[in-house]
Parts: sequence; structure tokens; C-alpha cells
Amino acid sequence: EAGVVQSPRYKIIEKKQPVAFWCNPISGHNTLYWYLQNLGQGPELLIRYENEEAVDDSQLPKDRFSAERLKGVDSTLKIQPAELGDSAVYLCASSLVGSGTGNTGELFFGEGSRLTVL
Amino acid sequence: GQNIDQPTEMTATEGAIVQINCTYQTSGFNGLFWYQQHAGEAPTFLSYNVLDGLEEKGRFSSFLSRSKGYSYLLLKELQMKDSASYLCAVDSWGKLQFGAGTQVVVTP
Repeated sequence: EAGVVQSPRYKIIEKKQPVAFWCNPISGHNTLYWYLQNLGQGPELLIRYENEEAVDDSQLPKDRFSAERLKGVDSTLKIQPAELGDSAVYLCASSLVGSGTGNTGELFFGEGSRLTVL
Repeated sequence: GQNIDQPTEMTATEGAIVQINCTYQTSGFNGLFWYQQHAGEAPTFLSYNVLDGLEEKGRFSSFLSRSKGYSYLLLKELQMKDSASYLCAVDSWGKLQFGAGTQVVVTP
């Protein structure tokens, strides 16, 4: 079974440029997460989807970050414009969670997209 | 808010045992996870505790005390491939919050 697929693996851009990351979760997983991970730190949640609904986007910097999961399957995370401090690894994860349980369940992570902003 | 604390780094010898402690303060609790992350790779699931006590899975065991807000991950018979970061994560009503991770260095 295919795991969580992310692209691109690496991206180098200049500040103020836009960038987009794509994630395809494990087939059948209804919940999708975008995390940001800085070097030497744990992942920090940016946004969580249940199917196509963003159920927690409280930590997404909405002035420059946006995300979508239009058909409840794959998802795109966009940054426009990028700043130097956005350099990090952007991790996508998915899980199969029972509706209304409020539980996270085991998360399956993709390899991540490493962003460098110059 | 939530606080999840774990040591930054631990060093141990091949074949030895290492215990990684994690303390947490959260507004809700649905369980505690441990993930392993090798450098440059994705985190992978190791264990999950929702009730107090010890969960054993091969060379790895995880313990939870909800009243103390405390967990530990025990790695036995250390192998060189166990050199990685170990992340403690608390599920608080569907929101998984991670600690900063403990870098375990296994030496020959």
C-alpha cells in the first residue's frame, strides 16, 4: 500500500516568491494534517482536515498561508509571499479516525517538503 | 495551552537500555504517542498509551501515568539503528501536540 506522498521534496526560492506543496494521503484516510517542523524541534500543527472541512486552522498564519482539500483527498498548502522565517520542513500526515471520536489515531507522515527561502 | 517536556539529548552504548522521559500539561487528554524520527526522514509511530501502565512491544516499551502527567519510552538492547529523535506527542481532543524530541545517540 502506498504511503503519504508529498511533493516537491526540496524547494529553494527567494523571499517574497510564492510556493506550493502537494500531499496525497493514504487511500481511505479521512483526516489530513499539515505540520511545520524546524530543525531540532517537533512538528507544529498548521491545519487539520476531516474530509474536505478544515476543523482546526487556528495555528495557520492566514495572512500568507492557505490550504485546500477540495475533494477530501489530496491537499495543497500555499505560502504567498514567502519570508526567510518560513524555511522549514512541511510535513503532511493522514489518519483514519472514527467520525466524532475526537481522537487523533496513529498518524502516517509523508517524507516532507524542505523549503529554503533565500 | 500545552507544555510537553522531554530531554534534548541522551547518549548510550550499543546493547544498553535508555529511558526517555516526557512530562506534559494539557487541557485535555486522549492519549500519548511516541514517534521515532531518523534524520531527514518522516516520523514513524512507535507506541500509544491511553490508560495507565506499561505497553510492551519488542525492544520498546512505553509507560503512562495520567495523574502525574508523565510517560517514558524504554529502549532495550540498543542497536546503532536506534540513533534517532524520539518525539513524545499528546492527543488533546483530536489535536496532536509534539514535544521538541529527544535525540538518542548510540555509540559502539
